[in-house]
Amino acid sequence: SAVISQKPSRDICQRGTSLTIQCQVDSQVTMMFWYRQQPGQSLTLIATANQGSEATYESGFVIDKFPISRPNLTFSTLTVSNMSPEDSSIYLCSVYDGGGEQFFGPGTRLTVL
Amino acid sequence: QKEVEQNSGPLSVPEGAIASLNCTYSDRGSQSFFWYRQYSGKSPELIMSIYSNGDKEDGRFTAQLNKASQYVSLLIRDSQPSDSATYLCAAGGGAGNMLTFGGGTRLMVKP
Repeated sequence: SAVISQKPSRDICQRGTSLTIQCQVDSQVTMMFWYRQQPGQSLTLIATANQGSEATYESGFVIDKFPISRPNLTFSTLTVSNMSPEDSSIYLCSVYDGGGEQFFGPGTRLTVL
Repeated sequence: QKEVEQNSGPLSVPEGAIASLNCTYSDRGSQSFFWYRQYSGKSPELIMSIYSNGDKEDGRFTAQLNKASQYVSLLIRDSQPSDSATYLCAAGGGAGNMLTFGGGTRLMVKP
């Protein structure tokens, strides 16, 4: 399976600021996804990061709040904008390997004060 | 609205016993099913995938799928304390195999 890294692994931010999370994969993949996992909860899909086009957002998530870039087939960023304490979560990127399975990166633990 | 339901637990089993984890899904169009294991503070790790009715075995793990009943299960034989984790069931289907996750079942294996 692909090796996925995320930066930063964790951060503590002040409300009203923005944080950009990076996801790097060691091989080219067609589809990358961004998920949020709030404390004690399961995973919620934020958006599908599409290479060369705008991301596809799930209901309840908007581009102004969670802008996503996908400049190539191995890299994507998720920005959490104008943060509030409710944005405190673990943010995970995942990749679809084309063989039917998804694999997750190590996650970014975000705390907003 | 696609839904995947799991008992949140905790499910407590003694070491060496069989742990049985269950999951139901609402979307009959789901084609693929996955079990992820998530240790506290870690990201989900894929442990089993199943695509057709019946059983699929991999070491101590057996996944079972019954599409007629919209039911997926995971059996862990000879449970070990290291199996203590939250197990997430996911259903997928369609382009890009978008996944819908259940809430997870917390498993505790007691020595």
